[in-house]
Amino acid sequence: GESVGLHLPTLSVQEGDNSIINCAYSNSASDYFIWYKQESGKGPQFIIDIRSNMDKRQGQRVTVLLNKTVKHLSLQIAATQPGDSAVYFCAENIWGQNFVFGPGTRLSVLP
Amino acid sequence: DGGITQSPKYLFRKEGQNVTLSCEQNLNHDAMYWYRQDPGQGLRLIYYSQIVNDFQKGDIAEGYSVSREKKESFPLTVTSAQKNPTAFYLCASSIEGRGYGYTFGSGTRLTVV
Repeated sequence: GESVGLHLPTLSVQEGDNSIINCAYSNSASDYFIWYKQESGKGPQFIIDIRSNMDKRQGQRVTVLLNKTVKHLSLQIAATQPGDSAVYFCAENIWGQNFVFGPGTRLSVLP
Repeated sequence: DGGITQSPKYLFRKEGQNVTLSCEQNLNHDAMYWYRQDPGQGLRLIYYSQIVNDFQKGDIAEGYSVSREKKESFPLTVTSAQKNPTAFYLCASSIEGRGYGYTFGSGTRLTVV
């Protein structure tokens, strides 16, 4: 992912609305992707993953969509809650290599 | 419970000092990693180790050193050669092999005073 400097992209949503967080990944050969959630002052936590042979995967309140044609990954969070406020970032991987992490998007949930 | 533990949570370093950040995991993971996180940037890889007694430089290894004497432990030393060490440092581990994500520790915030 490309650095966006000191300011993360920010997404503000009303509590109860759906959130969509986007990620443009860098390598067309990447075949495994993960979304992480990072709360302030804490380490990243795994949310959901997807392999390149899929274009959609659903978890509990979360869905990841993969568009390999345009190298785009999105995370959808249904019925966003205050506890969802965090930085979300994607990670891409090619087998045998280390993960590459995007800079992240800060999600703020408004009451 | 299995997990990965980083200590200390906060660390202050004086100019010219070396400091060591601890990372311990009881997940029986083969691979361990150190990342640096700066505001608004993605995680940048400092060093990684796939097996005991072996490690490789990442993208920003200058000014850092590591050791991997035990499978469970991967300490990171921030040396005086690192000119801008103030950052949030994350340790991670993973099962070696295809298609496994990383488990992260809770991080150490290092500040130069």
